[in-house]
Amino acid sequence: EPEVTQTPSHQVTQMGQEVILRCVPISNHLYFYWYRQILGQKVEFLVSFYNNEISEKSEIFDDQFSVERPDGSNFTLKIRSTKLEDSAMYFCASSASGTTATFFGPGTRLTVL
Amino acid sequence: GIQVEQSPPDLILQEGANSTLRCNFSDSVNNLQWFHQNPWGQLINLFYIPSGTKQNGRLSATTVATERYSLLYISSSQTTDSGVYFCAVGETSGSRLTFGEGTQLTVNP
Repeated sequence: EPEVTQTPSHQVTQMGQEVILRCVPISNHLYFYWYRQILGQKVEFLVSFYNNEISEKSEIFDDQFSVERPDGSNFTLKIRSTKLEDSAMYFCASSASGTTATFFGPGTRLTVL
Repeated sequence: GIQVEQSPPDLILQEGANSTLRCNFSDSVNNLQWFHQNPWGQLINLFYIPSGTKQNGRLSATTVATERYSLLYISSSQTTDSGVYFCAVGETSGSRLTFGEGTQLTVNP
């Protein structure tokens, strides 16, 4: 069964460093997303991506964040100058359309020291 | 933005018991999904159910869109059902999902 994959599973970084989280969405899906979950809290939307551009972003997704689809399979989230409060589980997700089932990857746990 | 409220926040069951989880939302939606977050943190899609009723084994879900709520039924619960159950909704404009706070389910043997 097709699934969303993410790498790395866990990343530790120093405050102020840049990190890139990587995802491979399900191959025939057209919508891609990043969500995050701070430990013990609910899942929060960051950004959606469709047709090679951002289609929607939340207030969390400020200039510190960027997304890219560098080739036909990968989808990345870059966080510039990480802060302590960026520590969270980051989930990549994909869906066939904006109103169909969304499938989540296993997540990348980001720890900022 | 849309508000999503889930109840109860915590639920403890004995194996074999049945349960009903509720999700209320504050506005019209074109997308409603139920997820199970297992103890390893994975979010597993249970149902895509913006309206109507669906069943999958011991789980079933019903969404009454006109009254802005959805219910998830778990029958004959097993210890592997433990985890957090999230309801997530999508508004008619946009593709984002807004998650509720979740219901923490613990099934004891």
